[in-house]
Amino acid sequence: DIQMTQSPSLLSASVGDRVTLSCKASQSIYSSLAWYQQKLGEAPKLLIYSANSLQTGIPSRFSGSGYGTDFTLTISSLQPEDVATYFCHQYYSWNTFGAGTKLELK
Amino acid sequence: EVQLVESGGGLVQPGRSLKLSCVASGFTFSNYGMNWIRQAPGKGLEWVAYISSGSSYIYYAETVKGRFTISRDNAKNTLYLQMTSLRSEDTALYYCARGLTTVATYFDYWGQGVMVTVSS
Repeated sequence: DIQMTQSPSLLSASVGDRVTLSCKASQSIYSSLAWYQQKLGEAPKLLIYSANSLQTGIPSRFSGSGYGTDFTLTISSLQPEDVATYFCHQYYSWNTFGAGTKLELK
Repeated sequence: EVQLVESGGGLVQPGRSLKLSCVASGFTFSNYGMNWIRQAPGKGLEWVAYISSGSSYIYYAETVKGRFTISRDNAKNTLYLQMTSLRSEDTALYYCARGLTTVATYFDYWGQGVMVTVSS
């Protein structure tokens, strides 16, 4: 099974900050990676697919990058509504998720 | 608007069975593969099962293989998950999620989830 490791597990940042979340795969998954945002008590929402494609309706401050084993989700200017847990998901070989990064306001 | 609404959850004793449903609307259900994904309390996400648009391809996570059965009724726009021989470790919020034409895809829409608690 492909393991997905996210870091950090908890991130505190201020409104307006540029925020970077990391996700590493245990083997190459090429570009078969998605990012989801999950707010408290809500279902996950797709943000990014194919490592760097922005899902329709998602603000452009969200972007994804990476290929192979190392991936990044970037929020260019953190907004209060971005407080959530973020999960990465590889779909190259079956489906596995990272444990998540909880993003909070400083 | 795409909507996925799960139902059928509840409290069940270990070893018993439960059947979840997910009613889809706002898209052509018969064109999409569908998935069940679960999240144990305070934990991350675990993919559970996939069924292709025409039910020809079905896949399960090893943790539920032989105990869970995914199925769909395209005439009723409904996805199902029959769960048998339930264990405490099956306690989780179960989401249905839309995929694409293969099991190897991202999930673009999710339901709100239905809670399953396995306890004596």
